[in-house]
Amino acid sequence: QVQLVQSGSELKKPGASVKVSCRASGYTFTRDAMNWVRQAPGQGLEWMGWINTNTGNPTYAQGFTGRFVFSVDTSVSTAYLQISSLKAEDTAVYYCARDLGIGWYLDFWGRGTLVTVSS
Amino acid sequence: QSALTQPASVSGSPGQSITISCTGTSSDVGGYNYVSWYQQHPGRAPKLMIYDVINRPSGVSNRFSGSKSGNRASLTISGLQAEDEADYYCSSYTGNSIVLFGGGTRLTVL
Repeated sequence: QVQLVQSGSELKKPGASVKVSCRASGYTFTRDAMNWVRQAPGQGLEWMGWINTNTGNPTYAQGFTGRFVFSVDTSVSTAYLQISSLKAEDTAVYYCARDLGIGWYLDFWGRGTLVTVSS
Repeated sequence: QSALTQPASVSGSPGQSITISCTGTSSDVGGYNYVSWYQQHPGRAPKLMIYDVINRPSGVSNRFSGSKSGNRASLTISGLQAEDEADYYCSSYTGNSIVLFGGGTRLTVL
């Protein structure tokens, strides 16, 4: 069965970087795209963008350019989200979610990774 | 781009039907049949409930249905059950490989 296993919670200081991983299993990783979604505490979902897992080509939503980088390692069926120059407002749960590429919907989600930015 | 517009909250009694709206523009909701709906219980990951406006994934109850008219999409839940109490989010394709979420609606089952 499809599974997206995300890395554990992170506590980082402002200005640091963090790399969140999302390991996929149960399907052919390079067939489907991987999306990233942010949810700040008590807030709604924000779509951050997606990455073509076959070509490694990323697409970023407005507001997620510059400090946010999507990447993949197809040898271990894993997608990554790296955030640099962390700010307090980056504190959120970050979800990876698969989309089949035949419509713009997310059919399987990881459990989320909490990133806390605090001095 | 601003989030799609959803009511902050809706409520209903068990057995009743409720509808959650999702209003966008002709550049997103009205321009494509790529509206989806997600259910999120507290502390849990979102779950896909409706895709491509009207389709239900396997395993989702047929009490959930989706529709669209113009720039407004809707999620209807019939025969409300206590387990339906959750946050619901719509999303839509907006062109240029970009997706937008709605602000979310909290459903309370009275």
